[in-house]
Amino acid sequence: QKEVEQNSGPLSVPEGAIASLNCTYSDRGSQSFFWYRQYSGKSPELIMSIYSNGDKEDGRFTAQLNKASQYVSLLIRDSQPSDSATYLCAVYERQARRQNSGYALNFGKGTSLLVTP
Amino acid sequence: GAVVSQHPSWVICKSGTSVKIECRSLDFQATTMFWYRQFPKQSLMLMATSNEGSKATYEQGVEKDKFLINHASLTLSTLTVTSAHPEDSSFYICSAPLGGASYEQYFGPGTRLTVT
Repeated sequence: QKEVEQNSGPLSVPEGAIASLNCTYSDRGSQSFFWYRQYSGKSPELIMSIYSNGDKEDGRFTAQLNKASQYVSLLIRDSQPSDSATYLCAVYERQARRQNSGYALNFGKGTSLLVTP
Repeated sequence: GAVVSQHPSWVICKSGTSVKIECRSLDFQATTMFWYRQFPKQSLMLMATSNEGSKATYEQGVEKDKFLINHASLTLSTLTVTSAHPEDSSFYICSAPLGGASYEQYFGPGTRLTVT
């Protein structure tokens, strides 16, 4: 069973601070990585995708990928109370347990982020 | 705006009845769609991959005769929960990739099913 691991939190940061969310994965062959935000009672919303080692920035969000360490992270700068949500790390990988061994997104359990005013 | 829609957004049904959930891609064609289930405070679990014009691929442990999937067109997949029981109460979410070289998947708003 290939794993995507996240600290469940909650991670509490003050408004305006940088929130750092981490994720590790076990499948060395994975090439595509995603961060989703999920508010309580809602479906996930895609925030960032990253495919190459290094940093990728989009507004207040920066995704970081290190394939050698099998590690992907998400930084949120100038955190706002509206950023309070669960952040899901997802890895696109071959699913050996599936009937045709196709590819699918494998999700971590998510990290709960709380930004306090 | 939303790229994937779901209907209904919530449904309450009696034990033993069947419920159909629709998932539509808006303004793009989706030959593949995915169905997930999420129990409270747990992560998303992939149930099955819906393939347009062919049989769905189910994940291990998901009963294909209980969760019927039909992907009859390039913009519509349906999930029917047959003979629903209270333990089937969950948040059901579909997703679709925009396609091309992108593996990004976009999720529908979800359907909350409560079986009484």
